[in-house]
This record gives sequence, structure tokens and C-alpha cells, in this order.
Amino acid sequence: GENVEQHPSTLSVQEGDSAVIKCTYSDSASNYFPWYKQELGKRPQLIIDIRSNVGEKKDQRIAVTLNKTAKHFSLHITETQPEDSAVYFCAASIYAGKSTFGDGTTLTVKP
Amino acid sequence: GAVVSQHPSWVICKSGTSVKIECRSLDFQATTMFWYRQFPKQSLMLMATSNEGSKATYEQGVEKDKFLINHASLTLSTLTVTSAHPEDSSFYICSARDGAGGTDTQYFGPGTRLTVL
Repeated sequence: GENVEQHPSTLSVQEGDSAVIKCTYSDSASNYFPWYKQELGKRPQLIIDIRSNVGEKKDQRIAVTLNKTAKHFSLHITETQPEDSAVYFCAASIYAGKSTFGDGTTLTVKP
Repeated sequence: GAVVSQHPSWVICKSGTSVKIECRSLDFQATTMFWYRQFPKQSLMLMATSNEGSKATYEQGVEKDKFLINHASLTLSTLTVTSAHPEDSSFYICSARDGAGGTDTQYFGPGTRLTVL
């Protein structure tokens, strides 16, 4: 089955700096890669996703890149703000199939 | 975006009792729903995939007789934890897939915090 590895497990940045979280996947058939933000005690919220026919996608301060050959994808957050502090999960799935999640990255943005 | 509700948001029960958790897609039809459990500071662990009108598909290591899943309609799936024990205490989260227009996006419910005494 699919195996998703996520790094780093914790990340601390200064407000205004950029944050990068990386994930690798094992199943070359995976074609959908969402990123979720989860605040303590709350549900995961989809923040951005990318499909295998696209190499990069951007939404304001958030961007995701995908390298299908190397089987890795990354989340980039620019101009970080304290409210960006949360746990971020990457996931990989085959369209209409189940998702496999990474172990999560705890992001702390220091004011 | 699409809304998924979950009820109850938290429940405390005695060991040996059964607890039912409901997951509803409020503004879209979900042919597929997923049930996860999440321990503190850990990732989401998929328990089972629930398809409307058919039996759920359980992940390896998940006891199907203990975690009963029913997906009777396109907007409702239920998870029943039977004969609950303290080790079943966890955060249970459902998600519903919105496949309209080929988006294949999962929307998560708010979760249910189960505490078994």
C-alpha cells in the first residue's frame, strides 16, 4: 500500500519568514495530494491540493509543488503569521480511493 | 465549501456500553465516507471506508465486529463502538468525499471525543 513520509515533525519560524514542509510517497499510482491544517481539538481543514497533472499550485501565501518523478511534494507558506501555527498533514491518494496521511508537522510561528 | 457534521461532539461512557456516532454531509451527497481515529499528537489513522448501500471496507487490524459502520443513505454514515473499553478512548473523525465535478475532495467532520471510563 501507499506510504507517506513527512518532514520535519516540528518546525519553528519567526513571523514573516517562510516555512517549507516536505512529503514523499511510495505509490506511483497516487494522483491527488491534499494538505490539511489542524488546530488543537479541531477538524483537519483542506488548505490546498494538487493533482498529478500539475507541477505547482499557489493560493495567496500558500503554494504546493509536486515532483512526480521523485515522488515528493512540498508545502510552502510565505510571510508566516502567528495564526499559521497548527499541525499540518500531507496526504496522498488515487482518485476516488482512500487517503494515506503523513505523520504531521507542528508549525510554530513566533511573533 | 461543503459541510460535514458529526454528532455527538463528545461523549463519556462506562466500559461495556455501546456508543453511536453520526456523520452527515449537509449540502452534498457523499457516496463514500471515511472513518478515522486520532490519538493525541498523532496522525489520522484510517479505520474503514464506507460506501452507501454496501458493506464497509475495514483497514487491517480494525475489528469489524467492534466498530460497526452503516452507510444507509448518501448523506449519513454511522459508527458504533460496541462494548467500549478505555483503550477505545480517542478522537473519532469522519470525512465525506465530494466527487461532484471530478473534484474528489474530502471534507472532515468536527470529530467526536470519546472517553470510556
